[in-house]
Amino acid sequence: NAGVTQTPKFQVLKTGQSMTLQCAQDMNHEYMSWYRQDPGMGLRLIHYSVGAGITDQGEVPNGYNVSRSTTEDFPLRLLSAAPSQTSVYFCASSYSARQGGGYTFGSGTRLTVV
Amino acid sequence: KNEVEQSPQNLTAQEGEFITINCSYSVGISALHWLQQHPGGGIVSLFMLSSGKKKHGRLIATINIQEKHSSLHITASHPRDSAVYICAVRSIGSGGGADGLTFGKGTHLIIQP
Repeated sequence: NAGVTQTPKFQVLKTGQSMTLQCAQDMNHEYMSWYRQDPGMGLRLIHYSVGAGITDQGEVPNGYNVSRSTTEDFPLRLLSAAPSQTSVYFCASSYSARQGGGYTFGSGTRLTVV
Repeated sequence: KNEVEQSPQNLTAQEGEFITINCSYSVGISALHWLQQHPGGGIVSLFMLSSGKKKHGRLIATINIQEKHSSLHITASHPRDSAVYICAVRSIGSGGGADGLTFGKGTHLIIQP
């Protein structure tokens, strides 16, 4: 049981490049979400999904796109990277969107945009 | 906007001391989470609380819904407890996953041998 798997662990991008951060879970969790963690700030919600085919914006969605074509996968896309997107990104999942429940986090992706 | 405030921001203690980390929030919640983040960055869920008290090993978490306050206690602290401890809340009305979690900024704990 792998839990939540995030790839890559580290990435350096040039301004304007695009990339996809991968997130996969094998726990049949309904709810998946992406957060960014910046120094001196709490984790902030970027996008979330309450099930396959359903996504919505969180607190800081600008510059990011998501899709949820399967229960297992929830990729985060940066369309045109900017230095302000330098951060550590975490994917997290939870069993039920309605009832909440414990969250399982991926190991994080450290992204640097130069 | 739901605010989650943690105190202290930084805490250094000697091995064996009893540790308390506090979390206050401003709106009604359906659940409160305590998370641990070790150097190297991985985040682990310690507790999920909606009322009362939970205990796991040397860790104890309590919540007072009326006062909108939660505490995380560590008994007989050890250097391996050194980490950032994060409080996060799920607001009422997030059923449907509307807002996910709102996080505090974390408490950086160092336990010296």
